[in-house]
Amino acid sequence: DTGVSQNPRHKITKRGQNVTFRCDPISEHNRLYWYRQTLGQGPEFLTYFQNEAQLEKSRLLSDRFSAERPKGSFSTLEIQRTEQGDSAMYLCASSGAPFRTEAFFGQGTRLTVV
Amino acid sequence: GESVGLHLPTLSVQEGDNSIINCAYSNSASDYFIWYKQESGKGPQFIIDIRSNMDKRQGQRVTVLLNKTVKHLSLQIAATQPGDSAVYFCAENPNTGNQFYFGTGTSLTVIP
Repeated sequence: DTGVSQNPRHKITKRGQNVTFRCDPISEHNRLYWYRQTLGQGPEFLTYFQNEAQLEKSRLLSDRFSAERPKGSFSTLEIQRTEQGDSAMYLCASSGAPFRTEAFFGQGTRLTVV
Repeated sequence: GESVGLHLPTLSVQEGDNSIINCAYSNSASDYFIWYKQESGKGPQFIIDIRSNMDKRQGQRVTVLLNKTVKHLSLQIAATQPGDSAVYFCAENPNTGNQFYFGTGTSLTVIP
């Protein structure tokens, strides 16, 4: 068990470009979360998957953001037409049975939009 | 929205002393809480959790106390070490949903 893995660790992109991040959760964890964290703040919830189903989405998740978990294993988070305000750390977490247990976080992807 | 706040944004302690980090939450429906430690450039690391049917839970050098009456949570770290220097977050999980709400965090600095 290697923990939650996120790629890339860092991404610098020009405003208006699309970016995609990947998260590989702990194997057999059926719940997966995406969070966003800006400097000096706690993580903010973006979206939640149980297996392949996206069950919750935050109001923070604008139409430019889309997340998928096609086979109930890894997940991707795509941001279209990036804006400078999208610059943040994007964190992925996973948790397993029983329901509502601790969520383990990955190291995050640091996005910088220039 | 939810409100999870910390009383002290920064805390400095001498190595070997005990540390206490406090957290207030606002949602009475929250019944599961986690303390996370986050070092610079890394993701949050699980420390300890507690459910609302408990008032106290102990781990290795850490104790979490929950006071549901005043919606207050604290994390006690015994014999604080330099490696404990980090930002500590409390997170609450209301029984109405799956997401965790995080506070702003407390930055703990251990002075050798």
